[in-house]
Order: sequence, then C-alpha cells, then structure tokens
Amino acid sequence: NAGVTQTPKFQVLKTGQSMTLQCAQDMNHEYMSWYRQDPGMGLRLIHYSVGAGITDQGEVPNGYNVSRSTTEDFPLRLLSAAPSQTSVYFCASQDRGLNEQFFGPGTRLTVL
Amino acid sequence: GEDVEQSLFLSVREGDSSVINCTYTDSSSTYLYWYKQEPGAGLQLLTYIFSNMDMKQDQRLTVLLNKKDKHLSLRIADTQTGDSAIYFCAESNTDKLIFGTGTRLQVFP
Repeated sequence: NAGVTQTPKFQVLKTGQSMTLQCAQDMNHEYMSWYRQDPGMGLRLIHYSVGAGITDQGEVPNGYNVSRSTTEDFPLRLLSAAPSQTSVYFCASQDRGLNEQFFGPGTRLTVL
Repeated sequence: GEDVEQSLFLSVREGDSSVINCTYTDSSSTYLYWYKQEPGAGLQLLTYIFSNMDMKQDQRLTVLLNKKDKHLSLRIADTQTGDSAIYFCAESNTDKLIFGTGTRLQVFP
C-alpha cells in the first residue's frame, strides 16, 4: 500500500492564481481531511469528508473548495490564491472503525 | 469551541526523561492522541488513550490523563536524539481531530 499520497510536494503561486492540491489514499478509508500547518498554530482543519459525495467545512474553510467523487481521492482547490494561504498542507485519511489518522507527506505552498 | 494548548519548546539531555504537557477544554473528548512530526514529514500516531483511562504505557512512552483537570501528558523515558521532533496533542469526540500547537522537543548530548 502507498498509504496517503500528496502532489505536488512544493508549489509557488502568484496572488490570484488557482490550483488543485491532490490527495489519494489506497486504504479504502471513508474519512479524509485537509489541514494546514502554520508556525505556532498547530494543524487547523480546512475541510473533511466522511465518504464519497459528502464534504463539510472545518475550522478554516474560506478560500478553499473540495470534492469527493471517489473514495480514493480528495482534491483541495485554491480558487484565487492569497499570501495568507502560504502554508504546509496535509491530507489525512482514517478508517472510521479505527482511532488513527494517516497523514500524507505534505505540500509546501508559497503564494507571492 | 474546543481548544488544545501546549508549550512550544522543550529541551532535554540525552538519557533523561521528557515530559510534554497538554491541556484541552472539551470535556466530552472521547480519545486523546499524541502524534510525532519529524522534519519535513507528516504526522505519525505515537499513542492514544481512551477518556476513561488514567494511564497507558507503551515501551518508553507513558501517557497520563487527568480528566478532572483536562490535562494530558506524554513521558518519554531515556530520551534519545532520534526523539527530537514536534509532538502534537489532539483530542476528538467525533471523527474530527483538534490539534494543539505542537511542542518542539530538542534532545542534546
């Protein structure tokens, strides 16, 4: 199993550009989530999904969209990038019967 | 809303014990977790404790939970340089995890 994979690893955007951060898992987990990690602030939940076709907002959803058309994939879209979205983004998945979230390696995004 | 707090830094000598503390506000938390993040990597689950337990031990790791004070601690015995990382406390009462700010543990020889 590859676990949770994220692409790209690094990305630099200009203000106003849009892009999609990819996340995929091959563990057949129902629950997937996106976090952003900023210095001194821990991880903050952006959006999450409890199954294909179902998404919900987390703590900091503004400026981001998600969709969950398949169990495996959970892309995060930045509609119009802003410098405040400079961060490290982590995707995670979890089997709802277990107590562990599995994290991807992260995407480091810089918005100029 | 829920809040989880940790001190930002801890520095210990190799071979000593490390104690990382965490406080949380959600009294309905079901599970409390400790995650480890090494440089440039994602988070890995170290251990977790169910809210009706007081203590859990796993090799060099001891988790203590004081539910009355909403205080969680992680003790690492015989701390090694490989333990240098950021340690995150997290709580949940649903599928969502609420993370603390993380404690950066530095181990010096």
